[in-house]
Amino acid sequence: QVQLQQSGPGLLKPSQTLSLTCAISGDSVSSITAAWNWIRQSPSGGLEWLGRTYYRSKWFNDYAIFVKSRITVNPDTSKNQFSLQLNSVTPDDTALYFCARDSDHTLDNWGQGTLVTVSS
Amino acid sequence: DVVMTQSPLSLPVTLGQPASISCSSTQSLVHTNGNTYLNWFQQRPGQSPRRLIYQVSIRDSGVPDRFSGSGSGTDFTLKISRVEAEDVGIYYCMQGTLWPHYTFGQGTKLEIK
Repeated sequence: QVQLQQSGPGLLKPSQTLSLTCAISGDSVSSITAAWNWIRQSPSGGLEWLGRTYYRSKWFNDYAIFVKSRITVNPDTSKNQFSLQLNSVTPDDTALYFCARDSDHTLDNWGQGTLVTVSS
Repeated sequence: DVVMTQSPLSLPVTLGQPASISCSSTQSLVHTNGNTYLNWFQQRPGQSPRRLIYQVSIRDSGVPDRFSGSGSGTDFTLKISRVEAEDVGIYYCMQGTLWPHYTFGQGTKLEIK
């Protein structure tokens, strides 16, 4: 049974860097059949896919166009986890952030969510 | 990017009555491999989204059979045959065909009348 446990700070000031971690149990971040995603949910409820990392003989990343210049998703094989970094945050980045496993074009396991608030 | 549009956005339903949510995409969701990667998620209040259905109509383990998915190409439907109190929440469709950029519908809020 796959479980994803998120951690990271929930309050940031504008221009700071958002950093979240998602620890994986029941699967491997190096799995060649899975990919590891970040999604966020705005205060109005909309879900936005942000990016992913995955291993297929080497590491790959995909990012949503609207955050591509600010986002990094990295694996940590020593801890079996992956991370999200989002630079230069603004109040528009205030959202509930989720990590999720991607297995064959679907998101089948989700973390518990982390509320991130950006405010001066 | 493909845009996913759900209707209705608000769905008040009497307990025991059926409910139906539509989801349409601006592009066909038929993958080059022949599969259609349309997913449905349920988000109960205070919880993370939970996948209910994948590849249009395949129910996840533990999902009651009162939930069913159908559709093809650009138009899809989630049906609940008899709404129960535990079904309250927000329902989202999500396309996984046009990898790597997944997109979600706006969400449909189901409440009990």
